[in-house]
Amino acid sequence: EAGVTQFPSHSVIEKGQTVTLRCDPISGHDNLYWYRRVMGKEIKFLLHFVKESKQDESGMPNNRFLAERTGGTYSTLKVQPAELEDSGVYFCASSQDWGEEFFGPGTRLTVL
Amino acid sequence: AQSVTQLDSQVPVFEEAPVELRCNYSSSVSVYLFWYVQYPNQGLQLLLKYLSGSTLVESINGFEAEFNKSQTSFHLRKPSVHISDTAEYFCAVSAPNTGFQKLVFGTGTRLLVSP
Repeated sequence: EAGVTQFPSHSVIEKGQTVTLRCDPISGHDNLYWYRRVMGKEIKFLLHFVKESKQDESGMPNNRFLAERTGGTYSTLKVQPAELEDSGVYFCASSQDWGEEFFGPGTRLTVL
Repeated sequence: AQSVTQLDSQVPVFEEAPVELRCNYSSSVSVYLFWYVQYPNQGLQLLLKYLSGSTLVESINGFEAEFNKSQTSFHLRKPSVHISDTAEYFCAVSAPNTGFQKLVFGTGTRLLVSP
């Protein structure tokens, strides 16, 4: 069974540009999460989908970030326009049950 | 709100020595506790978790952690480490009774095992 996949693995963009990160959860997992780790700091929660609905988006830093989950399958996280402080590693995770989150390898975003 | 403290950013240790990675949490409600590991160039993997029941939980590769409610701790231990245990370890909590499933992480501890 395939794990959580994320694309791209790395992205380097300039300040002001737009970037879209994609996450494909494990098939059948209703719960999908986005987290972010800024260099040297803790991994922070961004938001949680249950199927296609946003259950908790309390961690989204500002309105430059937009997350969607079309049809309750894959999810995208768009940053528009990107700022320097958006650099970090963005992790996606999925789960069917509480206490069983499976993480993807992450997307390393660098904003220059 | 919950918070997690991992005081040690880096722990160097020799192969076959014991190790303890410390984790303390703060929460006004009951919590679930987790340890995740990130090996170089890989994603996060669940190492072990405490949801309920026995306060001592074990992983398949020899790590164990004990939930201590009075000390609000969930320290990770291994009696004898291997070179392959070199990785970054993250302690995390979630609060099941709040209705929110998000994990709150500590800042991570890099375990460096040398020969």
